[in-house]
Amino acid sequence: SQTIHQWPATLVQPVGSPLSLECTVEGTSNPNLYWYRQAAGRGLQLLFYSVGIGQISSEVPQNLSASRPQDRQFILSSKKLLLSDSGFYLCAWRSTGGSPLHFGNGTRLTVT
Amino acid sequence: TQLLEQSPQFLSIQEGENLTVYCNSSSVFSSLQWYRQEPGEGPVLLVTVVTGGEVKKLKRLTFQFGDARKDSSLHITAAQPGDTGLYLCAGEPNDYKLSFGAGTTVTVRA
Repeated sequence: SQTIHQWPATLVQPVGSPLSLECTVEGTSNPNLYWYRQAAGRGLQLLFYSVGIGQISSEVPQNLSASRPQDRQFILSSKKLLLSDSGFYLCAWRSTGGSPLHFGNGTRLTVT
Repeated sequence: TQLLEQSPQFLSIQEGENLTVYCNSSSVFSSLQWYRQEPGEGPVLLVTVVTGGEVKKLKRLTFQFGDARKDSSLHITAAQPGDTGLYLCAGEPNDYKLSFGAGTTVTVRA
């Protein structure tokens, strides 16, 4: 069966520090991968998606970036965090367009 | 602007009551998905509706896809505290990009 791992679960970082959130998927190959951000109790904002290694599409041009160095690995990064980057970050995968998303348990990021 | 509008934003009811959550758009979707999310966790898929006018039942939950495939509703019969959570609808206007509504927070009081 397929599983998705996302870490860390919580993170507190000072403004201006770098960020690296990692997500890996097991049990499938060539998944579509996604990073979403969620404000408290609200909907999901799509940040990045990838349909293959090295292929990244950005939906929200901010000080965040994403990379896919391996087929089942998706990384969200920032060189310098802003207060507004605080939120709940969710990684997700699916097999093809139109199929449902499978989410990780998220990372709660607090920028102080 | 939100591609998918959900209403109401918040819903608090007593155990045993019924509730309906709506998901509306001006766009046509080939399918819509409904997810439920509990605090501190990722959303989990409840159902996918594909055909205009389709009705799907999942125990006490009934999902309907509008005839024009622009809207959907979720009806819960005899709600229980375990139904508490954030309900999200999602649709795919373009390949690979699943867009979510802002969600409805449902609280069922015992």
